[in-house]
Amino acid sequence: EAQVTQNPRYLITVTGKKLTVTCSQNMNHEYMSWYRQDPGLGLRQIYYSMNVEVTDKGDVPEGYKVSRKEKRNFPLILESPSPNQTSLYFCASSLKGWEGYTFGSGTRLTVV
Amino acid sequence: SQQGEEDPQALSIQEGENATMNCSYKTSINNLQWYRQNSGRGLVHLILIRSNEREKHSGRLRVTLDTSKKSSSLLITASRAADTASYFCATDAASYGNNRLAFGKGNQVVVIP
Repeated sequence: EAQVTQNPRYLITVTGKKLTVTCSQNMNHEYMSWYRQDPGLGLRQIYYSMNVEVTDKGDVPEGYKVSRKEKRNFPLILESPSPNQTSLYFCASSLKGWEGYTFGSGTRLTVV
Repeated sequence: SQQGEEDPQALSIQEGENATMNCSYKTSINNLQWYRQNSGRGLVHLILIRSNEREKHSGRLRVTLDTSKKSSSLLITASRAADTASYFCATDAASYGNNRLAFGKGNQVVVIP
């Protein structure tokens, strides 16, 4: 089944403890992207990648890192999480960045 | 930056009625897409309409695009309880850079059985 898999689904962590949210797609898509969704703010893009080793900042990149060493994987790294990064995170992929995206099921992160 | 803006933000209708929501955007686009999100879940791509198209259908969905007014509408005909969700429009403005999508804040639709 064609899908984007994010893990974990839920995560509660403490301020400052490094964490990684994994994202993997099995559709050989070139474009991958991370979004965060907050009430009243909609979806905001954190980082995106156009291909292996090609990444760029989105609208809200501060406090996040990404890497794209393989085409299928695009992990999101929070080196020192803070409470304002409590949010619902989505990974998405697309064959071409301007076509339809397939979204993962989301990761609900709480930083206390 | 959020380019797409949906209107109205919340809509409540009876099952069987049609639901219409609009999206406006600010700059020229290559295409506009609509997505559905069931509560807390990932977004699901519904339909894409290109800038040179005026109308597109997919099942009970009808999308129109008016590039002169920089607006789009999504019509769901004969709504069902399962259509209860948030609906987002997304645009890929060239000015947004590198073929990225800008999402609106979403339109919550509640279909009452």
